[in-house]
Amino acid sequence: EPEVTQTPSHQVTQMGQEVILRCVPISNHLYFYWYRQILGQKVEFLVSFYNNEISEKSEIFDDQFSVERPDGSNFTLKIRSTKLEDSAMYFCASSEQLGLSYNEQFFGPGTRLTVL
Amino acid sequence: QKEVEQNSGPLSVPEGAIASLNCTYSDRGSQSFFWYRQYSGKSPELIMFIYSNGDKEDGRFTAQLNKASQYVSLLIRDSQPSDSATYLCAFYTGGFKTIFGAGTRLFVKA
Repeated sequence: EPEVTQTPSHQVTQMGQEVILRCVPISNHLYFYWYRQILGQKVEFLVSFYNNEISEKSEIFDDQFSVERPDGSNFTLKIRSTKLEDSAMYFCASSEQLGLSYNEQFFGPGTRLTVL
Repeated sequence: QKEVEQNSGPLSVPEGAIASLNCTYSDRGSQSFFWYRQYSGKSPELIMFIYSNGDKEDGRFTAQLNKASQYVSLLIRDSQPSDSATYLCAFYTGGFKTIFGAGTRLFVKA
């Protein structure tokens, strides 16, 4: 069964460093998303991406964040200068279509980011 | 601010009982509603979606939607210990964004 994959599973970095989180969405999916979940808190939407551009982003997704689809398979989230509060689980998701009333997203296993 | 409200729990039910999980949402424009299951340390897994008023059944799961009351629920029949997890209610507004609730922890006692 096709699945979303994410690497690495755990990333430890120093405050102020840049990190790139990688995702391989399901191959025939066209819509891609990043979410984060701080330990013990809710899943929060960061950004959605379609047709090589950002479709929507949340207030969390400020200038230190960027997303890219560098080739036909990978979808990346870059955090330029990490802060302690960026420590969280980051989930990538993808969906096949964006109908008027239905949007089933499939989640990857997540990358746990720890900022020291 | 579009919000989803859920009782954080824990909701504890004996094995074989019906577990009832509830959720309210603030955005009347919401079009689709989802129930995800999340085991500790794992990613959310979609178990049900509903976008029409009424009930939708899938195996042991029944989702109920009442758009007038802005209320969605999930019933789990014949609850099993393996159903013990956090259940996330989410809604999709028709844009490119899904809003999640904080989740209800369910514990099924063997």
